[in-house]
Amino acid sequence: KAGVTQTPRYLIKTRGQQVTLSCSPISGHRSVSWYQQTPGQGLQFLFEYFSETQRNKGNFPGRFSGRQFSNSRSEMNVSTLELGDSALYLCASSTMDRGRSDTQYFGPGTRLTVL
Amino acid sequence: GQSLEQPSEVTAVEGAIVQINCTYQTSGFYGLSWYQQHDGGAPTFLSYNALDGLEETGRFSSFLSRSDSYGYLLLQELQMKDSASYFCAVSGRDDKIIFGKGTRLHILP
Repeated sequence: KAGVTQTPRYLIKTRGQQVTLSCSPISGHRSVSWYQQTPGQGLQFLFEYFSETQRNKGNFPGRFSGRQFSNSRSEMNVSTLELGDSALYLCASSTMDRGRSDTQYFGPGTRLTVL
Repeated sequence: GQSLEQPSEVTAVEGAIVQINCTYQTSGFYGLSWYQQHDGGAPTFLSYNALDGLEETGRFSSFLSRSDSYGYLLLQELQMKDSASYFCAVSGRDDKIIFGKGTRLHILP
């Protein structure tokens, strides 16, 4: 079974631009979560989608948004980029079997650099 | 709110045993997970504890005490390839999965 894939792997943008990142979950997984990882801050939860609906949201400004399509693929968008948005953006999929094993399967991430 | 505390760095010697602690504060609790991340790689799942006690998977074990809001990851017979960052994560009533800031494990030969 193919793992979680993310595109692009690397991205360089300038301040003020916007960016869209894509994530394809493991086949059969309906939950997709997004995380921002920066040195010293660990993985910070952005949002989770399940069946095309945002189920949970972290404490990020409205510049960060996402969506999920009927095939469970997900995109996240960051508008008006700031230097502080430079980070590794990780996508994770799961069966969303809460109350039991909550295994998150992570993709390789998209390294975003904002200049 | 939810928060997790784990040491930022731990150093141990190859062949030894190391314990990485995690304390958490969460509204509602389903379970405590552990993930490993090598430099440049993606986090990978190691273990999950929903009930009190010790779960063993090969050289790795994970422990949970729900009454103490505390858990730990135990790594035995350390190998150089175990050098990585280790994250604890909790899932709570609101179904969010919150990760700690990670513990960087350094292994000395």
